[in-house]
Amino acid sequence: NAGVTQTPKFRVLKTGQSMTLLCAQDMNHEYMYWYRQDPGMGLRLIHYSVGEGTTAKGEVPDGYNVSRLKKQNFLLGLESAAPSQTSVYFCASSYSGRAAGELFFGEGSRLTVL
Amino acid sequence: SQQGEEDPQALSIQEGENATMNCSYKTSINNLQWYRQNSGRGLVHLILIRSNEREKHSGRLRVTLDTSKKSSSLLITASRAADTASYFCATVLYTGGFKTIFGAGTRLFVKA
Repeated sequence: NAGVTQTPKFRVLKTGQSMTLLCAQDMNHEYMYWYRQDPGMGLRLIHYSVGEGTTAKGEVPDGYNVSRLKKQNFLLGLESAAPSQTSVYFCASSYSGRAAGELFFGEGSRLTVL
Repeated sequence: SQQGEEDPQALSIQEGENATMNCSYKTSINNLQWYRQNSGRGLVHLILIRSNEREKHSGRLRVTLDTSKKSSSLLITASRAADTASYFCATVLYTGGFKTIFGAGTRLFVKA
């Protein structure tokens, strides 16, 4: 099994450009998450989804949009990139069940906005 | 500020010594988890402790949870150079759906 796959792994954007990060999981998980990781800040939750067709805001949602059209995919979009969005982005998924369990992470997507 | 905060921010020990990392949080939780991250990689789940549990073991890992103090600790016994990594605590909250919030992490360096 591939687990959680993120594409692209690296991207450089100019301020104002748009892009989409794709996360795909093959574990039939209900929950999917997007985090960003900055030095000294740990991981901060951007948006998450508790099932196909649903999304919710996390701690730092401004400047990002997400969509969960298919259960296995969770897309993170930047409509107009800003240098403050330079970060490493991690996607994760988990099985919901009656109590939340472990998260499975992708390897990260490193984004630089010039 | 973040829900979970780890202490210390960095820890350097000799191989064979024990490493203890602490995590404090602010609101009621469903469960608390610890993750490990090697440099440049994604996070890997280590252990989960539920809100009604006080202690849990997994190999060389021991986790405690004190819900009255809203704190947890992760003990790695007999550390090895390969344990060098960042360790994060994650609190799981239920707010209409489960949400997992991470702390800033503890960077552990184990010297051979």
